Amino acid sequence: RKEVEQDPGPFNVPEGATVAFNCTYSNSASQSFFWYRQDCRKEPKLLMSVYSSGNEDGRFTAQLNRASQYISLLIRDSKLSDSATYLCVGLMDSNYQLIWGAGTKLIIKP
Amino acid sequence: NAGVMQNPRHLVRRRGQEARLRCSPMKGHSHVYWYRQLPEEGLKFMVYLQKENIIDESGMPKERFSAEFPKEGPSILRIQQVVRGDSAAYFCASSPSVAYNEQFFGPGTRLTVL
Repeated sequence: RKEVEQDPGPFNVPEGATVAFNCTYSNSASQSFFWYRQDCRKEPKLLMSVYSSGNEDGRFTAQLNRASQYISLLIRDSKLSDSATYLCVGLMDSNYQLIWGAGTKLIIKP
Repeated sequence: NAGVMQNPRHLVRRRGQEARLRCSPMKGHSHVYWYRQLPEEGLKFMVYLQKENIIDESGMPKERFSAEFPKEGPSILRIQQVVRGDSAAYFCASSPSVAYNEQFFGPGTRLTVL
């Protein structure tokens, strides 16, 4: 079983809609979690950190559920520019080793 | 302040050749991390280096792969006798300290083995 699992998608969503996807993790020792965004053939870029209390950044909301070991990302009022692959990432106890999910591909259609 | 630089951006090698990937961290950063990304997969940690030291190479294959970060110059990821399975994107990240939230990624090197 992979340590971080995501639905690969693709999620095809009309512009303006709300979309949500989850990520599950198996290592309860993971300290912290993050969502990264990766455009085709580019490097991943940090989108936001994920906290148990939930955190919001504009149209993006992330949530961590430690009891069920899943992380969620919600995107409201989706834009064409949101089309990308979203990678769920956990930080191990080492404090530098990142464990990456394979990513969920999101396609926003006009 | 230039970001993390990697070169070459694209590298084509025939089976059995050597591949050398270079990473120049951001100015002031002395910690470098290498990741590999196979098609349709997430990134996989390979190695963590500080200047002149390999701190953790637990993600790097034992054979054919080596990494260094000399006192002067860029970090080098070296793959000897490349095979088709080595075809991937190799990303380098750097940070000024070991704390995660300061890792900055370079644009990657795409290695294709013919």
